[in-house]
Amino acid sequence: SQQGEEDPQALSIQEGENATMNCSYKTSINNLQWYRQNSGRGLVHLILIRSNEREKHSGRLRVTLDTSKKSSSLLITASRAADTASYFCATGNTGGFKTIFGAGTRLFVKA
Amino acid sequence: EAGVTQSPTHLIKTRGQQATLRCSPISGHTSVYWYQQALGLGLQFLLWYDEGEERNRGNFPPRFSGRQFPNYSSELNVNALELEDSALYLCASSGASYSSYEQYFGPGTRLTVT
Repeated sequence: SQQGEEDPQALSIQEGENATMNCSYKTSINNLQWYRQNSGRGLVHLILIRSNEREKHSGRLRVTLDTSKKSSSLLITASRAADTASYFCATGNTGGFKTIFGAGTRLFVKA
Repeated sequence: EAGVTQSPTHLIKTRGQQATLRCSPISGHTSVYWYQQALGLGLQFLLWYDEGEERNRGNFPPRFSGRQFPNYSSELNVNALELEDSALYLCASSGASYSSYEQYFGPGTRLTVT
């Protein structure tokens, strides 16, 4: 079964609002990554946070990681219609093997 | 710099046939990953190749196989196609030997089995 599980499955907000997506995982990790996928296309890497980091920023993105709770959140501030996409978290485990993707959160930003 | 490329873009096959999908990684990347994404679902890990060797495979039957060539490009073969194999097949590459680093994805091959 997939390790990363995103919550919510889908989120609909107005342009300008903030969007928060959560990811939970089961085993210890080396890092956690967030990716974006526009409809039916390849994924684009957004941000990577290592297991010894608690928070990371990149433009309008803010990622937090709580290894004690095995969870991460992705915050998109001041959302735009172009942010409409599916967002996936992916965990890289300490064994250094495959990166495991969750099922994704579908974000709809209405103009 | 060219990104990850995949061919063909679309592939339509009949049940029972074989499909071959191709992927070229970013120049300098040695690891190639294959994922299956059925409509509206998340990514299911299929295969990971690094330096020409299969390093790991997901929970898929043996009729899903592949290989990595000396130039690090890769091929995914699906034998005895079934209707449920219809999906978007994504290839990704990374520069690290272990998959703890970011992956760069291609645009995918959409396989339709009729």
